[in-house]
Amino acid sequence: EVQLVESGGGLVQPGGSLRLSCVASGFTFSDNYMDWVRQAPGKGLEWVGRIRNAPSSYITDYAASVKGRFTISRDDSKNSLYLEMNSLKTEDTAVYYCARVIETAIDHWGRGTLVTVSS
Amino acid sequence: EIVLTQSPATLSLSPGERATLSCRASQSVGRHLAWFQQKPGQAPRLLIYDASNRATGIPARFSGSGSGTDFTLTISSLEPEDFAVYYCHQRFDWPPVTFGQGTRLEIK
Repeated sequence: EVQLVESGGGLVQPGGSLRLSCVASGFTFSDNYMDWVRQAPGKGLEWVGRIRNAPSSYITDYAASVKGRFTISRDDSKNSLYLEMNSLKTEDTAVYYCARVIETAIDHWGRGTLVTVSS
Repeated sequence: EIVLTQSPATLSLSPGERATLSCRASQSVGRHLAWFQQKPGQAPRLLIYDASNRATGIPARFSGSGSGTDFTLTISSLEPEDFAVYYCHQRFDWPPVTFGQGTRLEIK
């Protein structure tokens, strides 16, 4: 069974930093591209970014709203995905989901971790 | 960027009725469109991929159709557990990955 478990969310002040983690199990993590997707309270889904796999040189892509502030990385030896978030803004408040990508489409999601940016 | 527009924003129906949800893309995505269901406090769940293929474990009352720019998710006979928010998602052209804004299916 595919499982994705996010952690690291919490309350942070504007301008602060936070690092989210996602541990994967139930599939060969290193084979897949992986995404981060967020959902602000009461709003729809917003793609944050994607990291490709080793054969694709771990290339990363980001939404315009987070480019230059957020960094996605992965450690295939630990079946783990990370999201480093810097210069956080109040509009970054959301539940952050880790998602598996199959043939460039998302197919499984974690349960999410809540990030609240507030003073 | 491919924009996905879902309609209606809210759909009010009764259990047993047929639901028809629409997703329109700003340019052709071929058949590279998926549908997700999201219930309150839960992560989205994949229902349909590549326009018309049901994901593992999804009941046969869910079906998808369409190609190019116009897609439909149909729920043939609504069960109480089907009332949720539904999102479409395209994988044809990225970055960025895009989602529709969602259709809320509520009990009438």
